[in-house]
Amino acid sequence: QKEVEQDPGPLSVPEGAIVSLNCTYSNSAFQYFMWYRQYSRKGPELLMYTYSSGNKEDGRFTAQVDKSSKYISLFIRDSQPSDSATYLCAMSVSGNEKLTFGTGTRLTIIP
Amino acid sequence: GAVVSQHPSWVICKSGTSVKIECRSLDFQATTMFWYRQFPKQSLMLMATSNEGSKATYEQGVEKDKFLINHASLTLSTLTVTSAHPEDSSFYICSARLGLAGGVTDTQYFGPGTRLTVL
Repeated sequence: QKEVEQDPGPLSVPEGAIVSLNCTYSNSAFQYFMWYRQYSRKGPELLMYTYSSGNKEDGRFTAQVDKSSKYISLFIRDSQPSDSATYLCAMSVSGNEKLTFGTGTRLTIIP
Repeated sequence: GAVVSQHPSWVICKSGTSVKIECRSLDFQATTMFWYRQFPKQSLMLMATSNEGSKATYEQGVEKDKFLINHASLTLSTLTVTSAHPEDSSFYICSARLGLAGGVTDTQYFGPGTRLTVL
């Protein structure tokens, strides 16, 4: 079993829809959770990071962490074609340790 | 924001030659940099962790004599793929860790990646 599981998609939704991206994990020691966006042939770009459980909102993006269920989510409101990319979840045990990535979900927003 | 650059952005080389890839943190000092490898439609695979002034720590299964890492300064790390073969063709991405002043965690910022093709 992989430490971090993420549905690879592809996921296609119409413009303006709410997108929900999810990851599950098995290591209960993970405490730091991040979401990265990666456009084709580019390096990942940090979107959100959260520590422990709870919600964090930044513009159209909301990150949610449920440590009891070992489940994290990223919600994108009012999705735009420019949001089309691969979204990677990542997590670490402490802030100074290496990241463990999910496989990434390929998202396409249809105009 | 924190910017990380990589050079070159793409390189094509003949089998048996060595290729050097540079990773620079442009507007911050990074005591730790990471090197990843990514195959098409797959996630990032950590190859090694590079700390300034010390030897890199390699992940299991990564040949340290083949992938030479040098972290000579707080803003520069290099990855040299020695005696490259076609199976080394991949997308290599570095990241640099930024320590947030007063924050509880460090954040990794990624370079744009280098696409290596070995003929």
